Amino acid sequence: DVKVTQSSRYLVKRTGEKVFLECVQDMDHENMFWYRQDPGLGLRLIYFSYDVKMKEKGDIPEGYSVSREKKERFSLILESASTNQTSMYLCASRGLASGISYNEQFFGPGTRLTVL
Amino acid sequence: AQSVAQPEDQVNVAEGNPLTVKCTYSVSGNPYLFWYVQYPNRGLQFLLKYITGDNLVKGSYGFEAEFNKSQTSFHLKKPSALVSDSALYFCAVRDDEQAGTALIFGKGTTLSVSS
Repeated sequence: DVKVTQSSRYLVKRTGEKVFLECVQDMDHENMFWYRQDPGLGLRLIYFSYDVKMKEKGDIPEGYSVSREKKERFSLILESASTNQTSMYLCASRGLASGISYNEQFFGPGTRLTVL
Repeated sequence: AQSVAQPEDQVNVAEGNPLTVKCTYSVSGNPYLFWYVQYPNRGLQFLLKYITGDNLVKGSYGFEAEFNKSQTSFHLKKPSALVSDSALYFCAVRDDEQAGTALIFGKGTTLSVSS
């Protein structure tokens, strides 16, 4: 089974702190994603990565950055945390499909971040 | 632009009755469609997907979904609901003509099954 792990289930930080959220997948997937989930808004894409050292902005990248130095690890960085970044953060990975297809994304358990 | 809509925030159904969770989409090319389920304080779990072929797709836990191109819909169904099906359900879409690889998710529908 594919396993996507996230470094913390719950995290409490103070405004202005630099925050690192780590995600690791064990299936050699090329693509990795960071979403945030808020009630009534569903999942919104922050950043994704096609492969090592490659990254693309999603729909809401402001206030975030990412790092992918190794294929299995994709980090989300909040440069200066703010209260409006209090949310559930979900990491996902996906392997490339062959032919006419699109593989599903596999999700980690999520990190619930509270910024005070 | 691609988008997906789940018109109902909540669906309530009695145990043993059939359930339907609605999803409509908008893409410029052909759609790849997915359903995920999220239990409390958990990540999303994949249920089923439509890529091409048979319009009726069967997935995990007895769920199925029907792709309807003319109505641009992909409703999730189950013939007989269980209390344990109570969860948050997300529909997602990917346009096969769009660059990039991320799924676009709906806002979610909370399914509540009463005993």
